[in-house]
Formats: sequence, C-alpha cells, structure tokens
Amino acid sequence: DAKTTQPPSMDCAEGRAANLPCNHSTISGNEYVYWYRQIHSQGPQYIIHGLKNNETNEMASLIITEDRKSSTLILPHATLRDTAVYYCIVRVQETSGSRLTFGEGTQLTVNP
Amino acid sequence: EAQVTQNPRYLITVTGKKLTVTCSQNMNHEYMSWYRQDPGLGLRQIYYSMNVEVTDKGDVPEGYKVSRKEKRNFPLILESPSPNQTSLYFCASSRAGAKNIQYFGAGTRLSVL
Repeated sequence: DAKTTQPPSMDCAEGRAANLPCNHSTISGNEYVYWYRQIHSQGPQYIIHGLKNNETNEMASLIITEDRKSSTLILPHATLRDTAVYYCIVRVQETSGSRLTFGEGTQLTVNP
Repeated sequence: EAQVTQNPRYLITVTGKKLTVTCSQNMNHEYMSWYRQDPGLGLRQIYYSMNVEVTDKGDVPEGYKVSRKEKRNFPLILESPSPNQTSLYFCASSRAGAKNIQYFGAGTRLSVL
C-alpha cells in the first residue's frame, strides 16, 4: 500500500464545507484512494473511493489531482456529527488479503 | 438494514475464563475480519476469512481463535484471555471483488482483569 500523509487535525464551522487533504506521491497506477472515518470508538465507516476521476456520493466528494499524487475529501455541508477521524488509504483494488491499514488520519472537529 | 452485528458490546472478564465474541452480517459477504484497536497502535487485523471454512491469520493472531462454519457468522474465541487482550474489537465484512470496502460492527470493548 502506498504511504499517505494527512494533517493531524482540522477545524471546520458547522454548515461550511470541510476539505480534507491527503498526499500519496508514491501511488501506483493501479492503486485506488479510499476514505474512511471513525467517530469516537465506533466502527470505521467507508465513505468513498476513486481511481482517477472525481467521485461523488451521498456522503462526500473525492477530488483526485491529475497526477494522482494527492486528493481531497470534501464534506459539502459539515455537521457536528461529522466530527471524526478521517483516514485516507491507498490500495490496489484486488489484494490477496483483506487487511486495511489505517494510519494516523485527520481529526476533524466541526464547531457550532 | 445492512449491518454487521457484534455481541456483546461491553465485556469485563477475568484472566483465563474462555469467552466468545460473536459477529454476524446480513449482506451475504464472503470476506470477514477481526481487528483490535489500541491507543497509539491503530487497527490491527487478528484473523480473516475469505469464505466458509477458510480462515487465515492476520497480524496479531496469538491468543485468538476463529471459525467460519456459516457465511454470516465469524465468532472470535479467546480460550484463555489475558490482560494484554484488553482492547476494542471490531468485526468487518466485505464482498469478494470489493475487499477494500469493509463494513464494520459497532465494536466490543473487552477488559480482562
């Protein structure tokens, strides 16, 4: 799995967009970018993933730069319930095992 | 509702007393995993299963057993719990072809005294 770098913490005002960056400069051509989040002591929750095109679902948008060396997860209208640790994981889609490696992630705090 | 259900959510036990944490998923997923989460160490995989009767060790399997007799269930067994197994445990499942999209249970907080 390619190494990822995320800021340790970020703050966002409620109702504003939260933009969480992730650097993955050593990403390979067949590796996807996955985002998960973990609300305090709850099970991690899958958010979104992408290869090179921008992706959007009901939870978030994922913007991947053209060179694929970095990406941004966007929560368009952050709420207090979005306060969580957000993890960026880079991995090939088909692997022999199922172990996900969560790094330090970014602690996002949404303030009222 | 699609979900992964773990029981119990909280458990306090004593050293050496065998215990089982159950995990069940209703999504017909082939893959199931157990992780433990400890402060400063992140999530570490204990065991995983690629399908019924197929299990394999993860990164930290010592002191644990698993079984996969049915597709939906993947219990975690601690034959002789020790204090170093005090941790927060998560079960996860995913379908074949999308192993990186895992659905996690709510967690089991275990304390071994």
